[in-house]
Amino acid sequence: DTAVSQTPKYLVTQMGNDKSIKCEQNLGHDTMYWYKQDSKKFLKIMFSYNNKELIINETVPNRFSPKSPDKAHLNLHINSLELGDSAVYFCASSQVQGDQPQHFGDGTRLSIL
Amino acid sequence: GESVGLHLPTLSVQEGDNSIINCAYSNSASDYFIWYKQESGKGPQFIIDIRSNMDKRQGQRVTVLLNKTVKHLSLQIAATQPGDSAVYFCAELEDNMLTFGGGTRLMVKP
Repeated sequence: DTAVSQTPKYLVTQMGNDKSIKCEQNLGHDTMYWYKQDSKKFLKIMFSYNNKELIINETVPNRFSPKSPDKAHLNLHINSLELGDSAVYFCASSQVQGDQPQHFGDGTRLSIL
Repeated sequence: GESVGLHLPTLSVQEGDNSIINCAYSNSASDYFIWYKQESGKGPQFIIDIRSNMDKRQGQRVTVLLNKTVKHLSLQIAATQPGDSAVYFCAELEDNMLTFGGGTRLMVKP
């Protein structure tokens, strides 16, 4: 099936650890994104990335870094995890950046102990 | 019934009734808007979009209305079904990035 898929679905880890979340899209899209959804369901953009440009939301701590090995993948690395990082992280993709629908994965629930 | 997303986060409707979910957006320069549906444990699912050169767009059982004068967006769902129960988000395109509203939970009573 064509989709945006992310792994793992659940991630439970200790404060201070470093972790990664993987995302793959087989839609042939040029742009990928990471979003954070907090406990109140508020969705906020963290990054957008295509093969030309990385746009970072200025509120995102530099402990978070996206890594894209190729156009179909955008992984999220998080260093020195903090309690406030607990949230659901969504990957998304769109044909191009701008006025196009974004297609979302089913999320990774990150819980920091 | 009607719901303003940020002030009445839950909308409860009877199965078969029409639902109206409202959204106030902030940027008068925004020219693209999307509605998403998010079911429990899933990612947001695209429902319908509209560009600012339109004031109405219809899909299957859904209609989006855009009032640029008052910066208001609404999603109308006809003949609401139990499968429509979810959280609905509006989003506007600002600086080439989607900014999401706070969401409205739609509950459908059988």
